[in-house]
Amino acid sequence: QKEVEQNSGPLSVPEGAIASLNCTYSDRGSQSFFWYRQYSGKSPELIMSIYSNGDKEDGRFTAQLNKASQYVSLLIRDSQPSDSATYLCAPCSGGYNKLIFGAGTRLAVHP
Amino acid sequence: DGGITQSPKYLFRKEGQNVTLSCEQNLNHDAMYWYRQDPGQGLRLIYYSQIVNDFQKGDIAEGYSVSREKKESFPLTVTSAQKNPTAFYLCASSIAPSETGFENEQFFGPGTRLTVL
Repeated sequence: QKEVEQNSGPLSVPEGAIASLNCTYSDRGSQSFFWYRQYSGKSPELIMSIYSNGDKEDGRFTAQLNKASQYVSLLIRDSQPSDSATYLCAPCSGGYNKLIFGAGTRLAVHP
Repeated sequence: DGGITQSPKYLFRKEGQNVTLSCEQNLNHDAMYWYRQDPGQGLRLIYYSQIVNDFQKGDIAEGYSVSREKKESFPLTVTSAQKNPTAFYLCASSIAPSETGFENEQFFGPGTRLTVL
């Protein structure tokens, strides 16, 4: 059974701090990785994709990938209360754009 | 205005009834997916379709059925055989995997919340 592990949280950070969200996955064949943000009661929205080892930056978000360690992370700089949500890690596994979702990490940014 | 629509937003079902959830997209995406989300859990794949008139079972297909007669539409039927159907149902779509072999991101509709009475 292919698995994705995330710390369920809540991860509580003060406004303006860096939030670090981590994810490990079991399928060594995964080549594409996605981070989604899900507000309570809403559907997931894509915030980052990463395909190669290393860092990828987009605004306040940085995704980091280490395929050898089967580890992917998301850093949120200058965290805002509006970033408070559940963040879902989703490696692609088994081809055909099939995503395997972790249970998510709940982030709480307090003023 | 491109996007994915799901209807209804809320659905109540009596035990023993079949219900159909609608999913429509105007993004010209080839692939469509149905997921189920239970409280505090990640999304689990029910069915997916890469092309019209073809679909495959996901990890939890028992008690569900789908059809893909049009590129734009991928309805999901929750049958009476599904023992615990109360959940948040999400439809997604994506373009086909690229020729480079990298998969492409999925975009989600707003979801349907199904409750069994």
